[in-house]
Amino acid sequence: EVQLQESGPGLVKPSQSLSLTCSVTGYSITSNYWGWIRKFPGNKMEWMGYISYSGSTSYNPSLKSRISITRDTSKNQFFLQLNSVTTEDTATYYCARQLYLRYFDYWGQGVMVTVSS
Amino acid sequence: DIQMTQSPASLSASLEEIVTITCQASQDIGNWLAWYQQKPGKSPQLLIYGATSLADGVPSRFSGSRSGTQYSLKISRLQVEDIGIYYCQQASSAWTFGGGTKLELK
Repeated sequence: EVQLQESGPGLVKPSQSLSLTCSVTGYSITSNYWGWIRKFPGNKMEWMGYISYSGSTSYNPSLKSRISITRDTSKNQFFLQLNSVTTEDTATYYCARQLYLRYFDYWGQGVMVTVSS
Repeated sequence: DIQMTQSPASLSASLEEIVTITCQASQDIGNWLAWYQQKPGKSPQLLIYGATSLADGVPSRFSGSRSGTQYSLKISRLQVEDIGIYYCQQASSAWTFGGGTKLELK
Protein backbone atom coordinates (compact mmCIF):
# COMPACT_ATOMS: atom_id res chain seq x y z
CA GLU A 1 0.00 0.00 0.00
CA VAL A 2 1.23 3.46 -0.86
CA GLN A 3 1.75 5.60 2.21
CA LEU A 4 3.08 9.13 2.57
CA GLN A 5 4.07 10.97 5.73
CA GLU A 6 5.09 14.58 6.13
CA SER A 7 7.49 15.76 8.80
CA GLY A 8 8.98 19.08 9.77
CA PRO A 9 8.67 21.97 12.20
CA GLY A 10 5.24 23.23 13.09
CA LEU A 11 6.42 26.79 13.75
CA VAL A 12 8.54 28.98 11.50
CA LYS A 13 9.50 32.61 12.00
CA PRO A 14 8.67 35.22 9.38
CA SER A 15 11.38 35.70 6.74
CA GLN A 16 12.85 32.27 7.46
CA SER A 17 12.56 29.11 5.35
CA LEU A 18 10.00 26.37 5.75
CA SER A 19 11.39 22.88 5.14
CA LEU A 20 9.30 19.72 5.04
CA THR A 21 10.03 16.10 4.24
CA CYS A 22 7.66 13.58 2.67
CA SER A 23 8.59 9.96 3.28
CA VAL A 24 7.00 7.47 0.89
CA THR A 25 6.57 3.74 1.45
CA GLY A 26 5.02 1.10 -0.78
CA TYR A 27 5.93 2.83 -4.05
CA SER A 28 9.08 4.24 -5.60
CA ILE A 29 9.30 7.98 -6.17
CA THR A 30 11.26 7.18 -9.33
CA SER A 31 7.84 6.41 -10.79
CA ASN A 32 4.98 8.86 -11.30
CA TYR A 33 4.76 12.41 -9.91
CA TRP A 34 4.90 13.75 -6.36
CA GLY A 35 3.28 16.96 -5.28
CA TRP A 36 2.87 19.41 -2.45
CA ILE A 37 -0.52 20.97 -1.71
CA ARG A 38 -1.48 23.29 1.11
CA LYS A 39 -4.76 24.13 2.77
CA PHE A 40 -5.17 27.54 4.29
CA PRO A 41 -7.33 28.44 7.29
CA GLY A 42 -10.74 28.99 5.71
CA ASN A 43 -10.36 25.86 3.54
CA LYS A 44 -8.76 27.23 0.36
CA MET A 45 -6.52 24.57 -1.25
CA GLU A 46 -3.48 25.42 -3.38
CA TRP A 47 -1.25 23.19 -5.47
CA MET A 48 2.35 24.25 -4.83
CA GLY A 49 4.44 22.11 -7.14
CA TYR A 50 5.64 18.66 -8.05
CA ILE A 51 8.75 16.62 -8.70
CA SER A 52 8.60 13.97 -11.36
CA TYR A 53 9.92 10.42 -11.58
CA SER A 54 12.97 11.83 -13.42
CA GLY A 55 13.59 14.66 -10.98
CA SER A 56 12.14 17.46 -13.08
CA THR A 57 10.02 20.00 -11.26
CA SER A 58 7.12 22.35 -11.85
CA TYR A 59 5.96 25.08 -9.54
CA ASN A 60 2.90 27.24 -9.04
CA PRO A 61 3.80 30.58 -10.67
CA SER A 62 2.59 32.39 -7.56
CA LEU A 63 5.40 30.71 -5.60
CA LYS A 64 8.03 30.29 -8.26
CA SER A 65 10.63 32.60 -6.78
CA ARG A 66 10.38 31.09 -3.28
CA ILE A 67 9.84 27.35 -3.72
CA SER A 68 12.12 24.41 -4.29
CA ILE A 69 11.21 20.71 -4.40
CA THR A 70 14.00 18.14 -4.30
CA ARG A 71 14.33 14.44 -3.58
CA ASP A 72 16.52 11.68 -2.19
CA THR A 73 15.76 8.52 -4.13
CA SER A 74 17.95 6.41 -1.83
CA LYS A 75 15.58 7.21 1.04
CA ASN A 76 12.44 7.44 -1.11
CA GLN A 77 11.81 10.94 0.18
CA PHE A 78 11.04 14.28 -1.38
CA PHE A 79 11.31 17.69 0.15
CA LEU A 80 9.70 21.12 0.14
CA GLN A 81 11.54 24.32 0.83
CA LEU A 82 9.67 27.62 0.88
CA ASN A 83 11.78 30.70 1.44
CA SER A 84 10.99 34.10 2.94
CA VAL A 85 7.79 32.94 4.58
CA THR A 86 5.16 35.32 5.91
CA THR A 87 2.08 34.83 8.03
CA GLU A 88 0.22 34.24 4.74
CA ASP A 89 2.05 30.90 4.48
CA THR A 90 0.38 29.56 7.60
CA ALA A 91 -1.40 26.42 6.40
CA THR A 92 -1.60 22.66 6.59
CA TYR A 93 0.87 21.19 4.13
CA TYR A 94 0.21 17.89 2.38
CA CYS A 95 2.34 15.74 0.15
CA ALA A 96 0.56 13.53 -2.36
CA ARG A 97 1.10 11.25 -5.30
CA GLN A 98 0.07 13.15 -8.40
CA LEU A 99 -1.16 10.22 -10.45
CA TYR A 100 0.04 10.57 -14.07
CA LEU A 101 0.22 14.29 -13.40
CA ARG A 102 -3.55 14.66 -13.12
CA TYR A 103 -5.09 13.61 -9.82
CA PHE A 104 -3.95 13.25 -6.21
CA ASP A 105 -4.73 9.70 -5.21
CA TYR A 106 -2.59 9.15 -2.10
CA TRP A 107 -2.05 11.84 0.53
CA GLY A 108 -0.02 12.22 3.66
CA GLN A 109 -1.76 13.06 6.92
CA GLY A 110 -0.69 16.70 6.66
CA VAL A 111 1.45 18.91 8.87
CA MET A 112 0.20 22.19 10.23
CA VAL A 113 2.76 24.98 9.88
CA THR A 114 2.31 28.31 11.62
CA VAL A 115 4.39 31.30 10.63
CA SER A 116 4.75 33.53 13.64
CA SER A 117 7.40 35.40 15.55
CA ASP B 1 -5.37 30.42 -14.71
CA ILE B 2 -8.49 28.27 -14.73
CA GLN B 3 -10.87 29.21 -11.93
CA MET B 4 -13.20 26.68 -10.33
CA THR B 5 -16.30 28.19 -8.75
CA GLN B 6 -17.84 25.72 -6.32
CA SER B 7 -21.31 25.95 -4.81
CA PRO B 8 -22.78 25.96 -2.31
CA ALA B 9 -20.10 26.91 0.20
CA SER B 10 -22.01 25.08 2.89
CA LEU B 11 -24.89 22.66 2.91
CA SER B 12 -27.04 21.10 5.60
CA ALA B 13 -28.89 17.91 4.66
CA SER B 14 -30.76 15.04 6.29
CA LEU B 15 -29.82 11.38 6.32
CA GLU B 16 -30.89 9.54 3.15
CA GLU B 17 -31.32 12.84 1.33
CA ILE B 18 -29.94 13.43 -2.16
CA VAL B 19 -27.10 15.97 -2.12
CA THR B 20 -25.66 17.77 -5.14
CA ILE B 21 -22.55 19.96 -5.24
CA THR B 22 -21.49 21.81 -8.37
CA CYS B 23 -18.33 23.32 -9.83
CA GLN B 24 -18.22 25.76 -12.70
CA ALA B 25 -14.98 25.94 -14.69
CA SER B 26 -13.94 29.31 -16.12
CA GLN B 27 -13.02 27.62 -19.42
CA ASP B 28 -13.19 24.25 -21.14
CA ILE B 29 -11.43 21.54 -19.11
CA GLY B 30 -12.95 18.54 -20.88
CA ASN B 31 -13.31 15.67 -18.42
CA TRP B 32 -10.20 16.61 -16.46
CA LEU B 33 -11.97 17.02 -13.15
CA ALA B 34 -11.76 15.28 -9.80
CA TRP B 35 -13.76 15.39 -6.58
CA TYR B 36 -12.29 14.89 -3.11
CA GLN B 37 -13.81 14.33 0.31
CA GLN B 38 -12.08 15.54 3.43
CA LYS B 39 -13.45 14.21 6.68
CA PRO B 40 -12.73 16.11 9.91
CA GLY B 41 -9.13 15.61 11.01
CA LYS B 42 -8.25 13.56 7.93
CA SER B 43 -6.48 14.19 4.65
CA PRO B 44 -8.48 14.53 1.40
CA GLN B 45 -9.59 11.36 -0.35
CA LEU B 46 -10.07 11.01 -4.10
CA LEU B 47 -13.72 10.18 -4.87
CA ILE B 48 -14.19 10.82 -8.58
CA TYR B 49 -11.73 11.36 -11.43
CA GLY B 50 -12.22 11.99 -15.11
CA ALA B 51 -15.44 13.81 -14.12
CA THR B 52 -17.43 10.57 -13.83
CA SER B 53 -15.17 7.65 -12.81
CA LEU B 54 -15.43 6.32 -9.28
CA ALA B 55 -12.12 5.86 -7.47
CA ASP B 56 -11.32 2.49 -5.92
CA GLY B 57 -13.28 1.69 -2.77
CA VAL B 58 -15.68 4.64 -3.07
CA PRO B 59 -19.33 3.74 -2.39
CA SER B 60 -21.64 3.68 -5.40
CA ARG B 61 -23.91 6.33 -3.86
CA PHE B 62 -21.34 8.85 -5.09
CA SER B 63 -21.49 9.86 -8.74
CA GLY B 64 -20.11 12.59 -10.97
CA SER B 65 -21.52 14.24 -14.06
CA ARG B 66 -20.71 16.96 -16.54
CA SER B 67 -22.72 19.44 -18.56
CA GLY B 68 -20.47 21.66 -20.62
CA THR B 69 -18.21 23.44 -18.15
CA GLN B 70 -20.41 22.63 -15.15
CA TYR B 71 -19.59 19.57 -13.08
CA SER B 72 -21.65 17.96 -10.35
CA LEU B 73 -21.07 15.55 -7.52
CA LYS B 74 -24.15 13.69 -6.33
CA ILE B 75 -24.59 11.70 -3.15
CA SER B 76 -27.70 9.62 -3.70
CA ARG B 77 -28.51 8.79 -0.07
CA LEU B 78 -26.58 10.80 2.50
CA GLN B 79 -24.95 8.79 5.28
CA VAL B 80 -23.39 9.97 8.54
CA GLU B 81 -19.91 9.09 7.29
CA ASP B 82 -20.33 11.47 4.33
CA ILE B 83 -20.01 14.55 6.52
CA GLY B 84 -17.01 16.68 5.67
CA ILE B 85 -15.68 19.14 3.12
CA TYR B 86 -15.83 18.40 -0.59
CA TYR B 87 -13.52 19.90 -3.22
CA CYS B 88 -13.42 19.83 -6.97
CA GLN B 89 -10.06 20.04 -8.76
CA GLN B 90 -9.33 20.67 -12.41
CA ALA B 91 -6.44 18.86 -14.05
CA SER B 92 -6.55 20.39 -17.52
CA SER B 93 -4.09 23.23 -17.14
CA ALA B 94 -2.04 23.32 -13.97
CA TRP B 95 -4.05 22.22 -11.00
CA THR B 96 -6.59 24.36 -9.18
CA PHE B 97 -9.23 23.57 -6.60
CA GLY B 98 -12.70 24.84 -5.96
CA GLY B 99 -13.35 26.72 -2.74
CA GLY B 100 -14.89 23.72 -0.98
CA THR B 101 -18.35 22.76 0.24
CA LYS B 102 -18.86 22.03 3.90
CA LEU B 103 -21.52 19.32 4.25
CA GLU B 104 -23.26 18.99 7.58
CA LEU B 105 -26.14 16.96 8.94
CA LYS B 106 -29.42 18.71 9.49
